[in-house]
Amino acid sequence: DAGITQSPRHKVTETGTPVTLRCHQTENHRYMYWYRQDPGHGLRLIHYSYGVKDTDKGEVSDGYSVSRSKTEDFLLTLESATSSQTSVYFCAISDRGSNQPQHFGDGTRLSIL
Amino acid sequence: GEDVEQSLFLSVREGDSSVINCTYTDSSSTYLYWYKQEPGAGLQLLTYIFSNMDMKQDQRLTVLLNKKDKHLSLRIADTQTGDSAIYFCAESIGTSGNMLTFGGGTRLMVKP
Repeated sequence: DAGITQSPRHKVTETGTPVTLRCHQTENHRYMYWYRQDPGHGLRLIHYSYGVKDTDKGEVSDGYSVSRSKTEDFLLTLESATSSQTSVYFCAISDRGSNQPQHFGDGTRLSIL
Repeated sequence: GEDVEQSLFLSVREGDSSVINCTYTDSSSTYLYWYKQEPGAGLQLLTYIFSNMDMKQDQRLTVLLNKKDKHLSLRIADTQTGDSAIYFCAESIGTSGNMLTFGGGTRLMVKP
């Protein structure tokens, strides 16, 4: 399995609080991605990174920001969490990006009350 | 609506073959992927096919691609109870970020 660690694995928090999820990889892959998974929607891309300090928006980026200060870490931040952001969040990585398969972490289950 | 569509549910008997279907809309798709998700886990890459191929076989898995109809299928031979999971197809249009568009997933239930 690809060396991807997501933390925390579970989190419960209140509306309006900031939340940061971490994705850590040991594969030295260039590309990293954040998805959310909701029933009936499959996975939808939030943001992705194509290198240190290089990020871009995905399909559902509103309300989320990301940072990548080193190759191995990709952080997803909810500045002011809302109940609609209750979801399971997955990090993925791929090597060289284009046409390389993505490999996924085990996910973070986030509940916002 | 979604660009990638799958039926929601499939039930088969242990030992039978399973066929999970997927349709996509982007004719510029370059790679198509199948992932498996077991409860509480992430997505596990099963196999993928390049868009200029018609078929790919990998042990019990056979992927068929009909590019004209934009139809992708995953056949699992001799289905086992351990194959029970949600299966996602995804397409990549080969952008520099290799962004994937996923279907909603098909839940496969294998009955003993």
